[in-house]
Formats: sequence, structure tokens, C-alpha cells
Amino acid sequence: AQSVTQLGSHVSVSEGALVLLRCNYSSSVPPYLFWYVQYPNQGLQLLLKYTSAATLVKGINGFEAEFKKSETSFHLTKPSAHMSDAAEYFCAVKRTDSWGKLQFGAGTQVVVTP
Amino acid sequence: KAGVTQTPRYLIKTRGQQVTLSCSPISGHRSVSWYQQTPGQGLQFLFEYFSETQRNKGNFPGRFSGRQFSNSRSEMNVSTLELGDSALYLCASSLEGGAEETQYFGPGTRLLVL
Repeated sequence: AQSVTQLGSHVSVSEGALVLLRCNYSSSVPPYLFWYVQYPNQGLQLLLKYTSAATLVKGINGFEAEFKKSETSFHLTKPSAHMSDAAEYFCAVKRTDSWGKLQFGAGTQVVVTP
Repeated sequence: KAGVTQTPRYLIKTRGQQVTLSCSPISGHRSVSWYQQTPGQGLQFLFEYFSETQRNKGNFPGRFSGRQFSNSRSEMNVSTLELGDSALYLCASSLEGGAEETQYFGPGTRLLVL
């Protein structure tokens, strides 16, 4: 069975500080990995995805994530938080044989303080 | 290109009723997936349709069903509504549902069951 673990359901960060959101997956075979963001009363928007092309993946809005196979991790970072980064963030995985099925972590709510 | 659209955006039903939700994918996308989002269970995969066929299914009771039309539009139906069916229902589309493909999400339909 495959699962996704996001460490920390809530993260508070000061404006201008580093944003670090943790995601670990369990799988014998590296899956495809995604980070999505959800703003209030909206659907999910893709931030970035890992599809084995490069271990360091750059996404939108200054976010990036590094795939570490040895640690089965895909942590999301942003060097400097902005007030507009306040949202809920979801890590998700997809197996090669799981047509159209994303398996999501529980999500991390990010609060940005001035 | 227009994004994924879902109708209606909000819905209030009473226990025992049935409901139909609609999803129009991005033009050219043939795979449509449905997810349920609740505070307690998070984001859970319901099912995926491709070329009018259900290709993948999550762990939900038979009260949850769906279909896809020849133009790739999809509907999901929930019969005999229960209070626990109150949730945000999200639809996502991708080209063919491949593991590496990005799923693009609609804004969701918020269902409240009284």
C-alpha cells in the first residue's frame, strides 16, 4: 500500500522567512509526486511535480521541492514567505498503474504573520 | 483555454435525497477524476473515467456512481444522501490520466446534507 505523510497540519511562518513543508511517501517504487495549493473556497492548483526528470523541481510562485529517494521525501520550500502564501498545501502521489488516481496527504495549513 | 468547470457550486439537500453533480473538463482532456474533500477524511479519490468507461475506483459505497459522456463531460450521482456526504466534491481533468500527467482541478461543488 502506498501512503503520503505530511508532517505538521499547521505551520506558522513570518513574512520573509523560509517556508518548509514536509512530505514523505511510502512506496517500493518511486512514484510520481505532486504539490498542490488550495486557497479558501477554491479548487486545487498545481505548484510543481516530480516525474523523474530532475530531483530538484522548481514550481510556480517561487516554490521548489527536492526529491530524495534515500529519505523517501519530497519537501516543499520557498526562501521567503509572502502574505499571499497563506493557504493549504497538499502533497500527492500517483503510481504508474493508478490511472487518474491521486493519493493525497492530510494537508498543511500555512499561516503567514507580518 | 477554459479551465475545469463544475456545476452547481453550492447545493443543499436533505437526507435520503439524491444529487447529481456535473463536471466539464478542459477541452481535449479525456480523463476525469472525482474527489471528496472533508475536514475529517481529507481528500479521497472517488473514481476516474476515460472514454466513457470507469477505469479506476476508490473505496466508496455503491451509492456513489458516475458516468462520462462522449464529449468527456462527467457527472457523479449520490443516492440516498447521508449527513456524512456533506463535503466539497472536486473534479479534475487530464489528457489521458497518465501517471505523470497533471490533473487540473475545478472549483468544486459544496454539498450540504441536512
